[in-house]
Amino acid sequence: ETGVTQTPRHLVMGMTNKKSLKCEQHLGHNAMYWYKQSAKKPLELMFVYSLEERVENNSVPSRFSPECPNSSHLFLHLHTLQPEDSALYLCASSQEMGHGYEQYFGPGTRLTVT
Amino acid sequence: EDQVTQSPEALRLQEGESSSLNCSYTVSGLRGLFWYRQDPGKGPEFLFTLYSAGEEKEKERLKATLTKKESFLHITAPKPEDSATYLCAVPGGGYQKVTFGIGTKLQVIP
Repeated sequence: ETGVTQTPRHLVMGMTNKKSLKCEQHLGHNAMYWYKQSAKKPLELMFVYSLEERVENNSVPSRFSPECPNSSHLFLHLHTLQPEDSALYLCASSQEMGHGYEQYFGPGTRLTVT
Repeated sequence: EDQVTQSPEALRLQEGESSSLNCSYTVSGLRGLFWYRQDPGKGPEFLFTLYSAGEEKEKERLKATLTKKESFLHITAPKPEDSATYLCAVPGGGYQKVTFGIGTKLQVIP
């Protein structure tokens, strides 16, 4: 595997379900990110981790819970979601956290909440 | 608050018809500007980083330029495989935050 991988690619869940999104980066980077992408809206930063420490929690509802067990893996745990949470969830990584470091994205998980 | 505005929202070109995409930004202290390409159903793919006004970078049929207020992505003699959404982004709003534009959806017709 190369780059940034995400599983699953597609997920349909009911509002009472609990599920997790997984991200793995094979680039040796120290920072990882979760973004939400909705139609006609710019990418919204949700969480930032640098060396496994959460740095940013961008006013994200508590029904989204991130976990970063090591610098290569990032999870997003989902529970009691709302239909408006349906979107493309993107994971990204960069060499370091901070300005000037380009981010490399995974293919995303297309989430549909019914 | 940092803002990034991209225009046009959508652009349809004939194969070989050159054009430019615009990204204008408002940020306190420019620390660089990124261009990405995003294909349907995929994550954004990094293209360029520009750090200072006057800087230019090229990759195949793409050339990115930067001024103090905006950036342009010039597409020379585009091909259908250049069809994608092009995103620009600027660091700002916090040490770790990058503000993205909505993107320009480019369609190149054979």
